[in-house]
Amino acid sequence: EAGVAQSPRYKIIEKRQSVAFWCNPISGHATLYWYQQILGQGPKLLIQFQNNGVVDDSQLPKDRFSAERLKGVDSTLKIQPAKLEDSAVYLCASSLTRSTEAFFGQGTRLTVV
Amino acid sequence: GENVEQHPSTLSVQEGDSAVIKCTYSDSASNYFPWYKQELGKGPQLIIDIRSNVGEKKDQRIAVTLNKTAKHFSLHITETQPEDSAVYFCAAHNQAGTALIFGKGTTLSVSS
Repeated sequence: EAGVAQSPRYKIIEKRQSVAFWCNPISGHATLYWYQQILGQGPKLLIQFQNNGVVDDSQLPKDRFSAERLKGVDSTLKIQPAKLEDSAVYLCASSLTRSTEAFFGQGTRLTVV
Repeated sequence: GENVEQHPSTLSVQEGDSAVIKCTYSDSASNYFPWYKQELGKGPQLIIDIRSNVGEKKDQRIAVTLNKTAKHFSLHITETQPEDSAVYFCAAHNQAGTALIFGKGTTLSVSS
């Protein structure tokens, strides 16, 4: 079974630029999560989708971050404009349902300079 | 909302020794408690989990215990090996019973 795929693996951008991350969850998984992991900390939830609907985006900085999962499969997370404090690893995870095990991708390491 | 505290932040043991990592949570409604292992440059990988209807679960050298009254749960690794060296995260479901809230992690170093 293929795991959660994320791209790119690494991205370096200047502050105020925009960036987008892509995630392809495990086939058949209805629930998709985006987490932000700052160096030395645990992952922090940004947004959770159930199929193509948003379940929880309370921690998403909506003035600069946006995410979509239009067809209930792949998802993109965008930051515009980026700030220095957005430097982190962005992890995508998926689960079969909202109450089953979450599988994580390898993450995208973003550096904002 | 849910808050998960994890201790210690770093742990160094000799190969063959046991390692214990402890977590506390704040939301008494939380009912699912997984532990993840994260190696350098990789995403977190689930190693064991426990639900609130049991007090202990074991899988070979790894065990997790849960005390719902005290709202704490622990990871126990016996006969540690160098390949156990990684960052370990505990987590709990948030109030909505959906997305996981993570602790800050424990860096485990096993020296041979």
